[in-house]
Amino acid sequence: GNSVTQMEGPVTLSEEAFLTINCTYTATGYPSLFWYVQYPGEGLQLLLKATKADDKGSNKGFEATYRKETTSFHLEKGSVQVSDSAVYFCALSDPSSGSARQLTFGSGTQLTVLP
Amino acid sequence: NAGVTQTPKFQVLKTGQSMTLQCAQDMNHNSMYWYRQDPGMGLRLIYYSASEGTTDKGEVPNGYNVSRLNKREFSLRLESAAPSQTSVYFCASSEFWGSGEQFFGPGTRLTVL
Repeated sequence: GNSVTQMEGPVTLSEEAFLTINCTYTATGYPSLFWYVQYPGEGLQLLLKATKADDKGSNKGFEATYRKETTSFHLEKGSVQVSDSAVYFCALSDPSSGSARQLTFGSGTQLTVLP
Repeated sequence: NAGVTQTPKFQVLKTGQSMTLQCAQDMNHNSMYWYRQDPGMGLRLIYYSASEGTTDKGEVPNGYNVSRLNKREFSLRLESAAPSQTSVYFCASSEFWGSGEQFFGPGTRLTVL
């Protein structure tokens, strides 16, 4: 079946540091990949997505590239801010899975950015 | 445009009590979902409704029932709450079934004593 593995947290960085959160996936077909963000006390929000190999998703300074050869979709940001403190979830959706086309989430990575 | 709304925000139940979590969306989406979020486990799908008039089990349906009341509303019922159902519950919606672009409500924090 499909699965998503994220680097374990929590991750603590100083403001303006470089961020990488690793995500790898297992899928039977050709999935679409997503990063969702959850700010404290809120629901998840879609941060960015990529639908095919070598696509780069980007939003709010965050980027992730769909790497089919390494089955990865790592999240990066060049300079984090305190306001980026949140939990980040990697997820996949596999349209070829028929009735199992649900969104599969990783376990989440807690990011804390210190001023 | 409120997006996805959920009620209540917080709830404490005793073992064996029942309750219904309400969810509504105003984006004219066809598909709706109920997830639970537990520490270290990401989100797990409880039930979903691919379109109005249909519901199906997700990964962890035991102990829950759902009703797709109309296109806007999708409720989750716990008939006899158990401590293992202590969790944060999220409702979500998407334009169509299988879309990874889902819109989430703010969540309901449920504690079962």
